Amino acid sequence: DAKTTQPNSMESNEEEPVHLPCNHSTISGTDYIHWYRQLPSQGPEYVIHGLTSNVNNRMASLAIAEDRKSSTLILHRATLRDAAVYYCILRLSNAGNMLTFGGGTRLMVKP
Amino acid sequence: DTAVSQTPKYLVTQMGNDKSIKCEQNLGHDTMYWYKQDSKKFLKIMFSYNNKELIINETVPNRFSPKSPDKAHLNLHINSLELGDSAVYFCASSQDLYSTASTDTQYFGPGTRLTVL
Repeated sequence: DAKTTQPNSMESNEEEPVHLPCNHSTISGTDYIHWYRQLPSQGPEYVIHGLTSNVNNRMASLAIAEDRKSSTLILHRATLRDAAVYYCILRLSNAGNMLTFGGGTRLMVKP
Repeated sequence: DTAVSQTPKYLVTQMGNDKSIKCEQNLGHDTMYWYKQDSKKFLKIMFSYNNKELIINETVPNRFSPKSPDKAHLNLHINSLELGDSAVYFCASSQDLYSTASTDTQYFGPGTRLTVL
């Protein structure tokens, strides 16, 4: 099974950019990289996804390494409401929409 | 409008009881899921279901069974509850289990915290 590796936790100051890394060295050519986050006491929510090119949306940016073995979720200006567990997930091409969550990175944002 | 809703939010019950958790989605999605998040916060898929196919995670005990009266609902029935069943259960939905559209993402409910005493 393709797996992802993320740091257990990270800290950031409010209003500063945050770079959340993810390693996925066993990724195959057609697997998508998805990011979800889970705010305290809530269900996970979709953040962003990509295949090969960098992606931007209103929530975040996703930078994907050229060899696709790693990616970085970028929050351009962290707010206190961004404190959450961020999950990097490979959406496997042979598994449809099945998602396998790892341990994620707990992001703490300091005022 | 709440896209994916679950009831109840909290459920406290005794060992050996049978209980159900309800889930409804108003997104018009074809596929629904149940996840379990244990005390260590790991989220594990339990079931995925559309109107044609049920896929069960092989680690899920057969005391757990999903029941879908219609496309918008997927309820979780648990028989003979055990202490280890205590967890937060999340329902989710997506357009299609086998969608190849990269944009097909999952929408999660708020969770049901089950405590077995």
